[in-house]
Amino acid sequence: EPEVTQTPSHQVTQMGQEVILRCVPISNHLYFYWYRQILGQKVEFLVSFYNNEISEKSEIFDDQFSVERPDGSNFTLKIRSTKLEDSAMYFCASTVGGFGNQPQHFGDGTRLSIL
Amino acid sequence: AQSVTQPDIHITVSEGASLELRCNYSYGATPYLFWYVQSPGQGLQLLLKYFSGDTLVQGIKGFEAEFKRSQSSFNLRKPSVHWSDAAEYFCAVGLSGGSQGNLIFGKGTKLSVKP
Repeated sequence: EPEVTQTPSHQVTQMGQEVILRCVPISNHLYFYWYRQILGQKVEFLVSFYNNEISEKSEIFDDQFSVERPDGSNFTLKIRSTKLEDSAMYFCASTVGGFGNQPQHFGDGTRLSIL
Repeated sequence: AQSVTQPDIHITVSEGASLELRCNYSYGATPYLFWYVQSPGQGLQLLLKYFSGDTLVQGIKGFEAEFKRSQSSFNLRKPSVHWSDAAEYFCAVGLSGGSQGNLIFGKGTKLSVKP
């Protein structure tokens, strides 16, 4: 069964540094998402992406965050200047359609640790 | 505002016993409802989904859930729990009405299984 793949599985970065988290969504999917899960807390929506532009973003997704689909397969989340509170597990998800009834397929996540 | 409540943070059941995990939602429109499971260090795996029709839905691994509109609930059940079911379970609402399908998650219920 096709999977969403995320790299790296664990990223350790100094505060203030830029970090790029990578995702390869399922090949025929058109809608892409990033979610965040701070340790011990619930999974929170960050951003959705369709047709090479952001469709929706949450309050968490401020100016230090950006997303990009640099080629036909990768979907990246960039944090420009990391803060301690950015430490979390970041999940990428994809789905065929952008309606709420489409199940999202999640990757295994990238654990981001900011020192 | 949309929200999902999972009132039980941690549940412990004996292997072979029945299980019910509670989920309540608050959403003005027709809800699209999902249960995901997260094993330690893993991503989110879809267990089952409800869109419309029969209010009792079957999922993978022997799980089922029942949608009760009058109670705004979507509880997850399994008649006989296996040790491998130990994981964290998340209930989620898929937003409709113009959104791009992002999910609102509950805080999760951690399931422990006693031998």
